[in-house]
Formats: sequence, C-alpha cells, structure tokens
Amino acid sequence: AQSVSQHNHHVILSEAASLELGCNYSYGGTVNLFWYVQYPGQHLQLLLKYFSGDPLVKGIKGFEAEFIKSKFSFNLRKPSVQWSDTAEYFCAVHGSGNTGKLIFGQGTTLQVKP
Amino acid sequence: NAGVMQNPRHLVRRRGQEARLRCSPMKGHSHVYWYRQLPEEGLKFMVYLQKENIIDESGMPKERFSAEFPKEGPSILRIQQVVRGDSAAYFCASSPRGTGSNTGELFFGEGSRLTVL
Repeated sequence: AQSVSQHNHHVILSEAASLELGCNYSYGGTVNLFWYVQYPGQHLQLLLKYFSGDPLVKGIKGFEAEFIKSKFSFNLRKPSVQWSDTAEYFCAVHGSGNTGKLIFGQGTTLQVKP
Repeated sequence: NAGVMQNPRHLVRRRGQEARLRCSPMKGHSHVYWYRQLPEEGLKFMVYLQKENIIDESGMPKERFSAEFPKEGPSILRIQQVVRGDSAAYFCASSPRGTGSNTGELFFGEGSRLTVL
C-alpha cells in the first residue's frame, strides 16, 4: 500500500534560518509528488509539485524540493525562512494507476520565531 | 473564479444526530474528493466521486458514512448517528480531470469542522 512519511512533526526555527522538511514515500511505480501548505485558519494550498523532468522543482515563496528517486524522497527546502512561513506543511503522493487520490503524510508544523 | 466552497464551516452536533457537509467544486471540475483531518493527524482520504458515481470509497468507514455527488447540486458527505470520534475537519477537494489523465493536483476548500458533543 502507498504511504507517505514526514519525519519532523514539529519544527521551530528563528527567522533567516534554513529549512529542510523530510518526506519519504512508499510506492513501486511512477509518482507525482506534491507539497501543500496550510496557513493558520486557511485551506490547503499547493506549494510545489513534481511530475517529471528536472528533479529540483521550485515553488512559490522561495520554496524548492528535490526528488531523489533512489531514496524515495521529496524533501522541502527554503534557504531563509520568514515569520509568515509559520504553517503546517504536507507532503503528498499520487501514484500512477491510482484513481486520482492523493496520499498525504502526517504533516509538519513549522513555527518561525520573529 | 470561485474556489471550492464548503459549508457549513463549523457544525456542532450531539451524539446520535446526523451531520451533512456540502461541497461545491470549482467551476469546470467534475471530480470531488473528501478527506478527514483528525487532531494531530494528517489528511486521510475518504472517498472520490464523479457526477452521480462513486469511484473510490476505500477510505470510508463501513457504517454511518455516505457520500454522493448528484447531477445537480453540491457533493454531500453524510454522517449518521455521529459519535465523539467523528469530530474532525472534513476537507473537500476538486480536480478538472479524471482517471487516466489525472495528474493528482487537487484544489481544496476551507474545510468543515465538525464537533460532536
């Protein structure tokens, strides 16, 4: 069965610190990979996505993620976080042959201290 | 262009009552997904529907839960005889394309928060 694992459940950083959130998935076929963000009181928004091509993808607000197929990983990074990045971050996988549903990780709560 | 609309945003029910959550997908989207988010947990897939059809209900509890997406009107997630464990945020998402060409990207509503007393 497909699964997604996010290693960090709660991360606290100071502004300007660098961020890396881990995401590993379990699926034997071709995958599309996503990071969604949920700001306090808001709905989930797409941060970035990987379908094919360059494994280093850039998203909104300075975020990027790298797909490493051999490690089944899709870690999210940002060189310098801001207080406004405080949110919950979800990694998600869509497997080929699936009905279209996304499988989500448990989420990582990021708290950025001003 | 309106996004995915969910209502009510907040719903309080007593044990044994029924809860109905509604979702109107984005304009032009005919595929709807329901997810549940329990406290301290991630989003769990519940059901995937197209107009008048349930495509995948592998995440739905076997009893008390049902979903529909009629030809006209919003998708409805119905929970009968609610229990405290049903308290959660229920998110609806929609997409424009279906199986075979679906790239997985979903557009989410703001969620409906159900509290069972």
